[in-house]
Amino acid sequence: AQSVTQLDSQVPVFEEAPVELRCNYSSSVSVYLFWYVQYPNQGLQLLLKYLSGSTLVKGINGFEAEFNKSQTSFHLRKPSVHISDTAEYFCAVSKAGSARQLTFGSGTQLTVLP
Amino acid sequence: DADVTQTPRNRITKTGKRIMLECSQTKGHDRMYWYRQDPGLGLRLIYYSFDVKDINKGEISDGYSVSRQAQAKFSLSLESAIPNQTALYFCATSDPDGEETQYFGPGTRLLVL
Repeated sequence: AQSVTQLDSQVPVFEEAPVELRCNYSSSVSVYLFWYVQYPNQGLQLLLKYLSGSTLVKGINGFEAEFNKSQTSFHLRKPSVHISDTAEYFCAVSKAGSARQLTFGSGTQLTVLP
Repeated sequence: DADVTQTPRNRITKTGKRIMLECSQTKGHDRMYWYRQDPGLGLRLIYYSFDVKDINKGEISDGYSVSRQAQAKFSLSLESAIPNQTALYFCATSDPDGEETQYFGPGTRLLVL
């Protein structure tokens, strides 16, 4: 079975500052990794995903993440955040070869301050 | 129009009542999922279905049942609602052919009194 730990439940950051949201996973098999974003009163939408290939993955809205197999991490980064990035961010993992069952982390609330 | 819709969007019910949450999708995906979201716990999988004849229990299926009426429709039922089923419920779909991405509906907020 897979598990995900998001180390920070809340991350406040000032507008135009860089941000990193941390995600570590545990699995005995190869994995797929995902970051989803949930804006207030909305469902989740995919930011980016790692399935294979380059370990640096670029997603929507200027976000990127790096898969680090040795550290079992998939941290999400953005060099300069905007007020509109305020949302909850979820890291998720599935067994490689099939994303039929996603295991989600507990989420990180990113609040961008003016 | 939204690709994944959920009805109702909000529901208040009493302990012991049977309720049904409905999900419809126009994406043409075979796979559908039901999750619940609780503060500080993320999303947890309740049930999933890979086609009309395939239903599978997820991590937390006790107290819930599902029905896959058609490729486009997947309903979640609480046979006898209890207060700890108060949560935000999400339906999602995915396409088995390569994308590995799940697409979520807007959610149903359920309060069990």
